[in-house]
Amino acid sequence: GENVEQHPSTLSVQEGDSAVIKCTYSDSASNYFPWYKQELGKGPQLIIDIRSNVGEKKDQRIAVTLNKTAKHFSLHITETQPEDSAVYFCAADTGFQKLVFGTGTRLLVSP
Amino acid sequence: GAGVSQSPRYKVAKRGQDVALRCDPISGHVSLFWYQQALGQGPEFLTYFQNEAQLDKSGLPSDRFFAERPEGSVSTLKIQRTQQEDSAVYLCASSLGTGTNQPQHFGDGTRLSIL
Repeated sequence: GENVEQHPSTLSVQEGDSAVIKCTYSDSASNYFPWYKQELGKGPQLIIDIRSNVGEKKDQRIAVTLNKTAKHFSLHITETQPEDSAVYFCAADTGFQKLVFGTGTRLLVSP
Repeated sequence: GAGVSQSPRYKVAKRGQDVALRCDPISGHVSLFWYQQALGQGPEFLTYFQNEAQLDKSGLPSDRFFAERPEGSVSTLKIQRTQQEDSAVYLCASSLGTGTNQPQHFGDGTRLSIL
């Protein structure tokens, strides 16, 4: 089955810096890759997603890139703000309506 | 604009008791999912419904876990004879359609603690 690895597990940046989180997946059949932000005591919130026919997608300060050949995808957050502090999860969907999640990255943005 | 609603938010039970967790998906969403999230980990898939049909239950850890969605809207996840290892956050998600690549929207979960 699908396996998703996520790095780093923790990431500390200064406000205004950029943050990059990377994920790799194992199943070449995976074709949908969402990213979720989870705050303490809350459920995961979808922040951006990308489909396998697209290499890059951007939404304001957030962007995601996908390299199908290498089977990895990344989340880029620019101009980070303290409210970006949370745990971020990547996930992969092989097309069977089942998301496989990474282990999460705890992002801390210091003022 | 109601999102996915789960109840109760917190549940404490003694080992051996049965529990029932409820999920109200976003109105009109056909697909419904249950995930289990252990402390410090990512969510793990339990089961998937398309309307009232349970199409995938491959993630249910044992036959003590049972889920239903009898009218294709509200869903209940039941755990019988609870064990300490069942302690986790149980998340429900829903999506609008039935095709692949449909965004899943999550509720805030039920935190289950088994004493």
